[in-house]
Amino acid sequence: GENVEQHPSTLSVQEGDSAVIKCTYSDSASNYFPWYKQELGKGPQLIIDIRSNVGEKKDQRIAVTLNKTAKHFSLHITETQPEDSAVYFCAPPSGYSTLTFGKGTMLLVSP
Amino acid sequence: DAGVTQSPTHLIKTRGQQVTLRCSPKSGHDTVSWYQQALGQGPQFIFQYYEEEERQRGNFPDRFSGHQFPNYSSELNVNALLLGDSALYLCASSLAGTANTEAFFGQGTRLTVV
Repeated sequence: GENVEQHPSTLSVQEGDSAVIKCTYSDSASNYFPWYKQELGKGPQLIIDIRSNVGEKKDQRIAVTLNKTAKHFSLHITETQPEDSAVYFCAPPSGYSTLTFGKGTMLLVSP
Repeated sequence: DAGVTQSPTHLIKTRGQQVTLRCSPKSGHDTVSWYQQALGQGPQFIFQYYEEEERQRGNFPDRFSGHQFPNYSSELNVNALLLGDSALYLCASSLAGTANTEAFFGQGTRLTVV
């Protein structure tokens, strides 16, 4: 099965700073790499994903980069805002869209 | 589009009892997966249903069982509840056809076993 490690476990930034969260995975056959945001009391929300034929994908203030050789992908959030505070999970799938979640990164954005 | 809906939102059960959780997938989706999320942890895969059959299963005991109906909705059943079954249970729906497709989650059912 897929082994997933996510770093850091906690990240505190000032509003307007950038945040980067890194995820490493073990299954070299993986070709889909999603990031989820989970707010308190809610289910995970898909915020961005990338497929293995692309090295980078951007959506406004968030971006994901992929390094298949090193087997890691990263979430980048620029110009952070207090509403970005949440727990972020990487979740590369194994099998039929069965996601293997990292342990999560708690992002705290201070005003 | 109502997205993925789960019921109930909260549930309190006594050790040894049985519980049934329900999930309606996002419109157009035919695959339902269930996850257990303990406090402070990432979700753990329980099983996945497609075409009313269990297609894949994670490392969970037989006390955890499920069902998928012809309209693609699904149920998760847990028998002989243990205190350690207390968690947020999440349902995710996706569309079969490719190995890796977007999965969308419901808000979860918070189960407390006392």
